[in-house]
Amino acid sequence: AQKVTQAQTEISVVEKEDVTLDCVYETRDTTYYLFWYKQPPSGELVFLIRRNSFDEQNEISGRYSWNFQKSTSSFNFTITASQVVDSAVYFCALSEVGYSSASKIIFGSGTRLSIRP
Amino acid sequence: ETGVTQTPRHLVMGMTNKKSLKCEQHLGHNAMYWYKQSAKKPLELMFVYSLEERVENNSVPSRFSPECPNSSHLFLHLHTLQPEDSALYLCASSQDWSGGADTQYFGPGTRLTVL
Repeated sequence: AQKVTQAQTEISVVEKEDVTLDCVYETRDTTYYLFWYKQPPSGELVFLIRRNSFDEQNEISGRYSWNFQKSTSSFNFTITASQVVDSAVYFCALSEVGYSSASKIIFGSGTRLSIRP
Repeated sequence: ETGVTQTPRHLVMGMTNKKSLKCEQHLGHNAMYWYKQSAKKPLELMFVYSLEERVENNSVPSRFSPECPNSSHLFLHLHTLQPEDSALYLCASSQDWSGGADTQYFGPGTRLTVL
């Protein structure tokens, strides 16, 4: 069965520090997708990244970077030189590729990140 | 308007009321979704529509009734709700329904309080 675990419920760091948000997933499928979303106080989930299971190349986008490791079933997210605007709840999600009625996307419980000035 | 919009943003209703949540996407997508986000639970997928046909119904109580009149609009009709139904209801859309593999784009949500 699918499962996404974000063990860090809350993280608080001082501005300009680097911070890593952990995501561990479980799936029996060999083909799947992983996502990260950001949810600021306004409520809207903002898409950050999608990664398929065959692409283990790490990705960097500005201050954001993602480390995908199939060997440990992890898809961790690092913010470098954090800023106050990064304060939000971050969700990791897993979707197994399929076309049956049982296919769906599963979200982790989220990590609340607070960046202190 | 751009992206995914939802109205109303806030709704307070009694258990005997009937109300509807509206979602509209301006992205030309073919799939739309309803999610429930409660304070103590992960984001829960409720319904999925692909090309105006329902493809997912994750054991949602019948007091929630979705409607998708076209690929740009999605409604969630509410009646005889319970206080535990109070939550943030999020709408999302994606280009297509590929079993969840497509990137979903979310609206700002409707904060529902049931008294």
